[in-house]
Amino acid sequence: GAVVSQHPSRVICKSGTSVKIECRSLDFQATTMFWYRQFPKKSLMLMATSNEGSKATYEQGVEKDKFLINHASLTLSTLTVTSAHPEDSSFYICSARAPGQGWDGDTGELFFGEGSRLTVL
Amino acid sequence: AQSVSQHNHHVILSEAASLELGCNYSYGGTVNLFWYVQYPGQHLQLLLKYFSGDPLVKGIKGFEAEFIKSKFSFNLRKPSVQWSDTAEYFCAASSGNTPLVFGKGTRLSVIA
Repeated sequence: GAVVSQHPSRVICKSGTSVKIECRSLDFQATTMFWYRQFPKKSLMLMATSNEGSKATYEQGVEKDKFLINHASLTLSTLTVTSAHPEDSSFYICSARAPGQGWDGDTGELFFGEGSRLTVL
Repeated sequence: AQSVSQHNHHVILSEAASLELGCNYSYGGTVNLFWYVQYPGQHLQLLLKYFSGDPLVKGIKGFEAEFIKSKFSFNLRKPSVQWSDTAEYFCAASSGNTPLVFGKGTRLSVIA
């Protein structure tokens, strides 16, 4: 299947600094990428939908100024956690939607990155 | 609001036992349903999906799921689990091109 790569897989930073996480689709062009946050023993919470060349669409309750998302090309989306605080420590997962394959609604399959564990000290 | 519920937080089974993980969704209209698996230390992978047609969907590794519209359910089943099935299982749903909404996940532990 298609491959989505995230980098870095683990990052530790000091409170108040900014951290950038990259998400790349390696063998397909992804017009849409999604950023999720996974809390311990909880589900994946959708943070935002990232569309190439346009502003991201944030879910309710997600601070757009804190979680900056850029989707500059068809194969790369970045999530920058600005002025990180310990409560931002979490597992961040990106996913990319492969082009529709003729299914109803043209809903292409989602492929997930390995995730990035952020620890803010 | 659209939601997905997984009733079992942690399931422990012996090898060769049969598995059924519950998933219920609350969506109006057309719904697309998915089961994803996350093996320890790995990324999420698609097990199977339902868009339309035969409500009994067969996926990889011997898994299957049945879409029962009247019950708003999409339970995951496997007749005989193996130790290698130990993982976290997520049910997810979407409607058309909306983003996936995930359930909270069920951790499956298979013991020898």
